Amino acid sequence: NAGVTQTPKFQVLKTGQSMTLQCAQDMNHEYMSWYRQDPGMGLRLIHYSVGAGITDQGEVPNGYNVSRSTTEDFPLRLLSAAPSQTSVYFCASSYSRGTGNTIYFGEGSWLTVV
Amino acid sequence: KQEVTQIPAALSVPEGENLVLNCSFTDSAIYNLQWFRQDPGKGLTSLLLIQSSQREQTSGRLNASLDKSSGRSTLYIAASQPGDSATYLCAARGDSSYKLIFGSGTRLLVRP
Repeated sequence: NAGVTQTPKFQVLKTGQSMTLQCAQDMNHEYMSWYRQDPGMGLRLIHYSVGAGITDQGEVPNGYNVSRSTTEDFPLRLLSAAPSQTSVYFCASSYSRGTGNTIYFGEGSWLTVV
Repeated sequence: KQEVTQIPAALSVPEGENLVLNCSFTDSAIYNLQWFRQDPGKGLTSLLLIQSSQREQTSGRLNASLDKSSGRSTLYIAASQPGDSATYLCAARGDSSYKLIFGSGTRLLVRP
């Protein structure tokens, strides 16, 4: 089982560049989300989606864009990278309701903006 | 706005000790609460999920409890081992929202 797959694992960007972090899941989960993890701050929700064509903002959405054209994919776009976006990014997915809604995480993408 | 707090931020114990990790949340209207383990440089692995209607869940040496009225959850680890060394995070999911709000974690070191 592939689970939640994120690419790339490591990336260095220059300030002002744009890029897309890819996330795919093969569990037919309705719910997908992106988090960033910074030292001492835990995980903070950037954007989330409850199904194809439906997205919403989390706690820290500024500077990021998402779309959900299929159930499987949920890419995160950095529009104009800033050093403050240096972080570890995690994609996650789960069923939206019911007892089987354990959330599954990808391995993370380490992003450095210089 | 839901806030999740984990105390202590770090904990060091000798091997074999039983220990309790604490998680508190401000809004009791939660759908579920989940405990995760994170190893350095890795993603998060779900350990236990407690639905809002449940009081506790058990998996092997791990037991998680939930008290919505007091806004608290605890993760009990029995007979700790060096392999349990990791960061443990709790996260609360809102009753009317799909958002999962995380605590900042407790970094556990189990000394041989």
